[in-house]
Amino acid sequence: AQKVTQAQTEISVVEKEDVTLDCVYETRDTTYYLFWYKQPPSGELVFLIRRNSFDEQNEISGRYSWNFQKSTSSFNFTITASQVVDSAVYFCALSDGGTSYGKLTFGQGTILTVHP
Amino acid sequence: DAGVTQSPTHLIKTRGQQVTLRCSPKSGHDTVSWYQQALGQGPQFIFQYYEEEERQRGNFPDRFSGHQFPNYSSELNVNALLLGDSALYLCASSFPGGGTDTQYFGPGTRLTVL
Repeated sequence: AQKVTQAQTEISVVEKEDVTLDCVYETRDTTYYLFWYKQPPSGELVFLIRRNSFDEQNEISGRYSWNFQKSTSSFNFTITASQVVDSAVYFCALSDGGTSYGKLTFGQGTILTVHP
Repeated sequence: DAGVTQSPTHLIKTRGQQVTLRCSPKSGHDTVSWYQQALGQGPQFIFQYYEEEERQRGNFPDRFSGHQFPNYSSELNVNALLLGDSALYLCASSFPGGGTDTQYFGPGTRLTVL
C-alpha cells in the first residue's frame, strides 16, 4: 500500500533562513507521481510541483527547490531565504497506479511558521 | 479563468442529518475528486468521478456518495451524519486527457456536525 511520511510536524524559522521539508514515500509501483501542495490559512490547497518517477532531476523555481532521490524514496522541498508569506501547511502527496490524476495519498503535513 | 469553486463555504448540521456539498471544476476540466481533511490531518481521498461515473473510491463507507453532472460539476452527499464527519471537504478537478492531469483544489466546505 502507498504511504507518505512527513516526519516534521512543525518547523519554525526566522525570515531569510533556509528551510527544508522532508518527505518519504512508499509504493510498490514503478510508475508514480509525487506532488507538493501548500495550504495557507484560507484552506485551499495550492499546487507547487509534480514529479514523475522517471525524472530524478532536481528542480528550482525561484526560492523553491526540490530534491528527488529514488534510492531513498525521498522528495524533499527547500525554501531559500524564507519569507513571512511562506508560512503555511505544506503537504507532500503520491499518486501511483501509473497515473498522475488518480487518488492522491497525502502526508500529515508540515506546519511552517516564518517569523519576521 | 475561474478556478475550482465549492459551495457552501460553511455548514452546520446535527447528527443523523444528511448533507450535500457542491463543486464546479476548473474550466476545461472533466474529472472531479473529493477529499476529506480532518483538523490537523492530511486530506483523505473519498472518490473520483469521470464521465458521470465513479472511477475510483477510497476507504469510506457507503454513507458517502456522489454524482457528476453532464457539465462536469459534482455533488458529495453524506447520509446519517456522525460527529466524526466534521471536517474540511475539498474538491479537486483535473483534465487527464489534455495534459493538465494535476489535481487543482477548491477552497473547501467546512462541515461541522453537532
